Amino acid sequence: DAGITQSPRHKVTETGTPVTLRCHQTENHRYMYWYRQDPGHGLRLIHYSYGVKDTDKGEVSDGYSVSRSKTEDFLLTLESATSSQTSVYFCAISPTSETQYFGPGTRLLVL
Amino acid sequence: GQQVMQIPQYQHVQEGEDFTTYCNSSTTLSNIQWYKQRPGGHPVFLIQLVKSGEVKKQKRLTFQFGEAKKNSSLHITATQTTDVGTYFCAERDAGNNRKLIWGLGTSLAVNP
Repeated sequence: DAGITQSPRHKVTETGTPVTLRCHQTENHRYMYWYRQDPGHGLRLIHYSYGVKDTDKGEVSDGYSVSRSKTEDFLLTLESATSSQTSVYFCAISPTSETQYFGPGTRLLVL
Repeated sequence: GQQVMQIPQYQHVQEGEDFTTYCNSSTTLSNIQWYKQRPGGHPVFLIQLVKSGEVKKQKRLTFQFGEAKKNSSLHITATQTTDVGTYFCAERDAGNNRKLIWGLGTSLAVNP
């Protein structure tokens, strides 16, 4: 597996609270991605980054923000969690913006 | 917009039977990738196809890229319980080559 970790692996939180998920890579790859996966929807891109401080929105970015202050870390923040953000969140890395390597995922439950 | 259609959505087979999933694009593809996700796991890259008509094999898995580069298939010969999971195809977003467009996946269940 690629050197990619996600933390926390599981989280339960309450509606309205802020949540930050962390993706850490040891590969020094330029491209990093945040997806959410829900039954019937496959993988949906939230945000992605193509370098330090270079980020852009994906197809489901509302309610999420990201930051990348170092090559190895890509943070996903839910400013005020809602029940609709209950999901499995995957981080992915890529050296070329093509083939992607995924982290183990974070299961988030918003009550 | 650019779409990737994957069929079937689900497939249930007896162990030893063959399995095929198809991926069809609305555009001509530069390449296509296949991933596998085991239940409770994360997507894992299997292969990338680039050339028109390309056929690649990985043990019991055969991947094909259509001659017109608008479709692809993954065929598993003599399925085993270890093949259980969801198979995704993905193609480069023609409008933004930093992103992939993903199919919804085919979930394979194998009865022992």
